[in-house]
Amino acid sequence: GQSLEQPSEVTAVEGAIVQINCTYQTSGFYGLSWYQQHDGGAPTFLSYNALDGLEETGRFSSFLSRSDSYGYLLLQELQMKDSASYFCAALSGSARQLTFGSGTQLTVLP
Amino acid sequence: GAVVSQHPSRVICKSGTSVKIECRSLDFQATTMFWYRQFPKKSLMLMATSNEGSKATYEQGVEKDKFLINHASLTLSTLTVTSAHPEDSSFYICSAKDAGQGAGEQYFGPGTRLTVT
Repeated sequence: GQSLEQPSEVTAVEGAIVQINCTYQTSGFYGLSWYQQHDGGAPTFLSYNALDGLEETGRFSSFLSRSDSYGYLLLQELQMKDSASYFCAALSGSARQLTFGSGTQLTVLP
Repeated sequence: GAVVSQHPSRVICKSGTSVKIECRSLDFQATTMFWYRQFPKKSLMLMATSNEGSKATYEQGVEKDKFLINHASLTLSTLTVTSAHPEDSSFYICSAKDAGQGAGEQYFGPGTRLTVT
């Protein structure tokens, strides 16, 4: 089966840097995505890593190590609006479906 | 960016009735759409993969006769919860992939909150 592990909660202050780790066990793995979801809202796409290494998109960066079945999302210069749930999701299978981790609730304090 | 809509956004129904949820891709064609359900403070659980013009592929443990999926066109997929019961109360979210998107990117609808009384 597919499984992804990530911390349930992370708290940080405005302006800080936070890293959310994700380890996965999947078959037919293509890559790792990250999504943000605010309470009651739809998940929004943040990043996708198919190859090992770091992908940078503004304040957010994502890293993947396929050999370690590990990735992380790095959020820099945290803002209050970054308080949300963050999900890692493994892309796999013939239909290229996403299997989501349990989510990390990020709380940004003033 | 591409938009995916869902209707209704919120529905309350009585136990034993059926509810239909629509998922539409507004400015792109989606040969594949996905249906998820999400409990409060929990992850998104993939229920089924909806393919235009063919039968949906259901995940293990999801009853296909309970959750009927029809992907009648390249822009519309529907999920019908048949004979709904209180345990079916949940947040149902659809997503769709645009052919021009990156592999790991899906556009999600705003979700439908179903409450069965």
